[in-house]
Amino acid sequence: AQSVTQLGSHVSVSEGALVLLRCNYSSSVPPYLFWYVQYPNQGLQLLLKYTSAATLVKGINGFEAEFKKSETSFHLTKPSAHMSDAAEYFCAVSDRSGGGADGLTFGKGTHLIIQP
Amino acid sequence: EPEVTQTPSHQVTQMGQEVILRCVPISNHLYFYWYRQILGQKVEFLVSFYNNEISEKSEIFDDQFSVERPDGSNFTLKIRSTKLEDSAMYFCASSEGYGRGRNVVEQFFGPGTRLTVL
Repeated sequence: AQSVTQLGSHVSVSEGALVLLRCNYSSSVPPYLFWYVQYPNQGLQLLLKYTSAATLVKGINGFEAEFKKSETSFHLTKPSAHMSDAAEYFCAVSDRSGGGADGLTFGKGTHLIIQP
Repeated sequence: EPEVTQTPSHQVTQMGQEVILRCVPISNHLYFYWYRQILGQKVEFLVSFYNNEISEKSEIFDDQFSVERPDGSNFTLKIRSTKLEDSAMYFCASSEGYGRGRNVVEQFFGPGTRLTVL
């Protein structure tokens, strides 16, 4: 069975500061890992995905995440926060490619607040 | 840009009633999914659907639930005899297909239907 833990239901950073959203996973097989973002009243949008091709993954809107097998982590970072980054962020894991029959297993989400 | 759409955005129903949540996946996608998120909890996988039949389902997806692709564009989730604990946001998603090897395929999500059972 697989699971995802997102540390911190709410994270608040100042505009221009580093964003760090934490995600730890548990999987019995090499995982596929995803970060999704949800803006108010919208669906989940893929930020980035880990496919094992490279441990540092770059996504949209300046976000990136690093897969660390030894720490079973896939933390999301952005060097400089922007007001438009305020949203809900979800980490998800799959033991398949994510597009097949298996559903994704999500974390509880982290609400990112950007202070002016 | 193609997107997954869901209707209605908000559904209010009385306990014991049946509801049908509707989704229009992206037109060339082959796999369809339903997820739900109870307020304050995780997004949970319910079911996946491929080639006009259920591919996988979670333990949440019991006999109370059913899915259907009634025509070439819609994908529906039916909840029979709704209970208070069915109140949640329900997300539909679709993907192009099954990635082979390291070809990871993205699931595209709709905006969700908020179901409130009174």
